[in-house]
Amino acid sequence: GAGVSQSPSNKVTEKGKDVELRCDPISGHTALYWYRQSLGQGLEFLIYFQGNSAPDKSGLPSDRFSAERTGGSVSTLTIQRTQQEDSAVYLCASSPGQNSYSNQPQHFGDGTRLSIL
Amino acid sequence: GESVGLHLPTLSVQEGDNSIINCAYSNSASDYFIWYKQESGKGPQFIIDIRSNMDKRQGQRVTVLLNKTVKHLSLQIAATQPGDSAVYFCAEGDAYGNNRLAFGKGNQVVVIP
Repeated sequence: GAGVSQSPSNKVTEKGKDVELRCDPISGHTALYWYRQSLGQGLEFLIYFQGNSAPDKSGLPSDRFSAERTGGSVSTLTIQRTQQEDSAVYLCASSPGQNSYSNQPQHFGDGTRLSIL
Repeated sequence: GESVGLHLPTLSVQEGDNSIINCAYSNSASDYFIWYKQESGKGPQFIIDIRSNMDKRQGQRVTVLLNKTVKHLSLQIAATQPGDSAVYFCAEGDAYGNNRLAFGKGNQVVVIP
């Protein structure tokens, strides 16, 4: 079946430009997550959406970062006025959603590799 | 050991041997643990998970062991194959949904044919 789809797979842009990264979660998954992975490092949590609840934005590194999830499906991560330290792989994951004491694995896309010149 | 910068801890294993990858977690309140495999240029792929009310869980060729006393997690891979070469990450989360996973820095596994 279709997994998590992210686009573009690669993005190169100049410092100071804005970028938008897109994530299509697995159909029917109500939970969606964004992470950032710097070269050779683990994953850093950015933001989490669950259904119609207010998103958990506690991982966003600065106010230049924002994310939306329209219609409970597709999500867009926007980085304004990009800086060189924003260069990383941005990964999106989805899971079926929360249930009382029911943890479900997050399933990841292959990410967008962002390079800021 | 801990990774420093770009240098991940690396485990080299002969094809057919068993592999053991270790992970120390930090939050004693974490109730959910999960292992991912990441190949170059790909996103993390789910391997196996375990809840804190269990000490051991087995999957196909993989076993996860959880020692809550010392906050230690391990992944055992039986009969390691060349396709097992990848970076392996452990992650921890809370009991009521895994809305925020905290990932370790990863361990590189290299399978020698």
